[in-house]
Amino acid sequence: EAQVTQNPRYLITVTGKKLTVTCSQNMNHEYMSWYRQDPGLGLRQIYYSMNVEVTDKGDVPEGYKVSRKEKRNFPLILESPSPNQTSLYFCASSLGGGRFTDTQYFGPGTRLTVL
Amino acid sequence: EDQVTQSPEALRLQEGESSSLNCSYTVSGLRGLFWYRQDPGKGPEFLFTLYSAGEEKEKERLKATLTKKESFLHITAPKPEDSATYLCAVNPGRRALTFGSGTRLQVQP
Repeated sequence: EAQVTQNPRYLITVTGKKLTVTCSQNMNHEYMSWYRQDPGLGLRQIYYSMNVEVTDKGDVPEGYKVSRKEKRNFPLILESPSPNQTSLYFCASSLGGGRFTDTQYFGPGTRLTVL
Repeated sequence: EDQVTQSPEALRLQEGESSSLNCSYTVSGLRGLFWYRQDPGKGPEFLFTLYSAGEEKEKERLKATLTKKESFLHITAPKPEDSATYLCAVNPGRRALTFGSGTRLQVQP
């Protein structure tokens, strides 16, 4: 089944404790992206990757890091999480190849709480 | 600045009562308008992509239309299982989608 998977689905942590949220897709998509969703603010892009070893900032990148060492995986790293990073996070992927119009497919989400 | 506004914020319908959701957008150059459905605690599920004014797409009880300034998602004879949040997003030619805040639809039996 074609899908985007994320782990963990739920995470409660404390301020300053480094964490990684994994994202994997099995559709051979070139483009991958991370979003956060907050009430009243909608979905906002954190980082994206056009292909392996190519990443760039989205609209709200502060406090996050990403890496793209393999085509299928795109982990989101919070080096020193803070309470304002409590949110619902989604990974998405699309065919890419420079076509901005491609449909993005989303993972099931990771609900992160930073105490 | 690219902007997407969805209305209403919430909509309650009786089963079988048709209605429309609105998505107004302001972008410098539209490269695509997307509709997604999102159930509570789940990721957005793709519904439609529209690229040019006048385009229409249908899927079961849903029909999406596009003009130069807005898109409508028409829901014909909705059922309780159509209850969800419907998200509109635009691609303004950047490597990111700009999303609206969504319309929460509740269909009562």
